[in-house]
Amino acid sequence: AQSVTQPDIHITVSEGASLELRCNYSYGATPYLFWYVQSPGQGLQLLLKYFSGDTLVQGIKGFEAEFKRSQSSFNLRKPSVHWSDAAEYFCAVYDRGSTLGRLYFGRGTQLTVWP
Amino acid sequence: SQTIHQWPATLVQPVGSPLSLECTVEGTSNPNLYWYRQAAGRGLQLLFYSVGIGQISSEVPQNLSASRPQDRQFILSSKKLLLSDSGFYLCAWSRGFEQYFGPGTRLTVT
Repeated sequence: AQSVTQPDIHITVSEGASLELRCNYSYGATPYLFWYVQSPGQGLQLLLKYFSGDTLVQGIKGFEAEFKRSQSSFNLRKPSVHWSDAAEYFCAVYDRGSTLGRLYFGRGTQLTVWP
Repeated sequence: SQTIHQWPATLVQPVGSPLSLECTVEGTSNPNLYWYRQAAGRGLQLLFYSVGIGQISSEVPQNLSASRPQDRQFILSSKKLLLSDSGFYLCAWSRGFEQYFGPGTRLTVT
């Protein structure tokens, strides 16, 4: 069965520090993977996506993610965090076997940024 | 470009009252539509999805229902709200692999 695990419920970093949010997936075939960000009281915004090809994908707001098949991971990174990056981040895998286009989401990682 | 709207943004309703949340999408046709709920600390729960007008599938048995009276309109309803229905309700649409989310409705059942 498809699933996504985000091992870190809450991460705190200082502004200007680097960031890595972990995501592990379980999927039988080559996965389609996504990262979304949710600011408080807002909907989810798509940060980046991976379908195939280059395993390092660039997204909006200076984020990137690397797909590692051997580790079943799709970790999100940012070299220098800004206070405005404080939000909740969700990793998701697309179920290619489903006609409805279902996404399976992780439980989310809450990011706090200290000044 | 595509836009997704949800209303109301915030709603406070007593237990046992009815519910109607609306979602509309602009700038695309025949999208897949989804209703999710976020309860505190419980992540995203898929409630309903629709691949076309009048075609609704439910993921979780509950006292909620959904309808799609028009191609780009998706409605979430309840005849009698429960305390456990409180949460943040998100509508989303897709035409490919990724989903795009609306701003959400915060529902508090008192």
